[in-house]
This record gives sequence, structure tokens and C-alpha cells, in this order.
Amino acid sequence: NAGVTQTPKFQVLKTGQSMTLQCAQDMNHNSMYWYRQDPGMGLRLIYYSASEGTTDKGEVPNGYNVSRLNKREFSLRLESAAPSQTSVYFCASSQERTDTQYFGPGTRLTVL
Amino acid sequence: DAKTTQPTSMDCAEGRAANLPCNHSTISGNEYVYWYRQIHSQGPQYIIHGLKNNETNEMASLIITEDRKSSTLILPHATLRDTAVYYCIVRNPSGYALNFGKGTSLLVTP
Repeated sequence: NAGVTQTPKFQVLKTGQSMTLQCAQDMNHNSMYWYRQDPGMGLRLIYYSASEGTTDKGEVPNGYNVSRLNKREFSLRLESAAPSQTSVYFCASSQERTDTQYFGPGTRLTVL
Repeated sequence: DAKTTQPTSMDCAEGRAANLPCNHSTISGNEYVYWYRQIHSQGPQYIIHGLKNNETNEMASLIITEDRKSSTLILPHATLRDTAVYYCIVRNPSGYALNFGKGTSLLVTP
């Protein structure tokens, strides 16, 4: 039981490049989330998916898109990366939206 | 969601109990108190949560005051591996996001 896994662990992009961050959970959870954490700050919600087939914007959605591929997988896409998107990205999941969220190990992204 | 106030940093000797306070004076009746921690460079780790009653699990105990305006997370026998940033979060059950503030940086020393 791996919990929440994220790939890649590290990534360096040039401004304007695109990439997709992958997240998968093996806990049969219905809800999944993407957060970002900037240095010295708390986590901020980018997008969430309350259940398979639904996605909604969080606090800081600009510059990102998401796909809930199936119940297990929730991906985050940066279409045209900007230096302001340099951050650590965490994926989380919960049984239902009101339940405890469990986090993955994070993806450290640097945009030059 | 209600705002929380935590000390910026605390120290604790290894083997002693670590008591981490949190003030949440504007908490509403249906809001839960959650505690997470983040060990350097890792994802946040869930510790414990509660509504009104004190709670205990294998990691920690959570003491919530009767008026629910403050709480204390207790790590009964702190180890070096408990060095981390600890976040107290008040969560409205209808909300999606966990609002992580700056937390308390706990340093456990030998």
C-alpha cells in the first residue's frame, strides 16, 4: 500500500515549456487535490476533484489545468511554465471531501 | 475557516513530552481542529484531529479546551525524528482546502 505517489520528484523547465505532474493513490479515495507550497509559506489549493469525473478550481488555479483520469489518478498540467510557478507541488487524497487528506511526497519544480 | 495562532518555534529535549499550543478563538461549532506535520522536504503528514473531545492515537494526543478556543498537541515521548513544522488547522467540513499557516517549528534536541 504505497498511499499517494507523485512523479517526477524533481523537474527543471525553461519558461514557456509545458509539463504534466502525475499523481496516483491506491487507497480507493474519491477526492483528490493539488496544492503548491512556496518557500516559507503554507500550502495553497490549486485544483481539486471531489469525485471521478469532476474538477473544480481552488485558490490559485491560473496557469494550470487538471485531469481526473480515473479514480486513482489526478494530473496537473502547466501549459506554458513561468518562473512564478517555481514551487513544490503536493498531491493529496481523501475518502470523501470532508475526510482527512493524505499527502504525497511532492514534486519540486524549478522554472528558469 | 477560523484563523489559528501558533508559536513560531519551540524546543524539546528528546524523551520528554512536547506540548504544542494553538489558539483558534473564532472557531465555529462545526469546525474541526486538525494537526499535520511536515518533516523537511517531505509531504505533510496527518497526525490527529478532533471536534470537542480529547483524542489520542498512536502518534499523539489532542487536548481541546471546553470552550474550544484553544488546543494542545502532545507528543508524549519526543524523538529526534519528531523535529518538524507542526500545523494546527481549523477546518470547516463544507470546505475543500486545508489552510496551512506558518506552523510551529519544533526542534527536538538530544
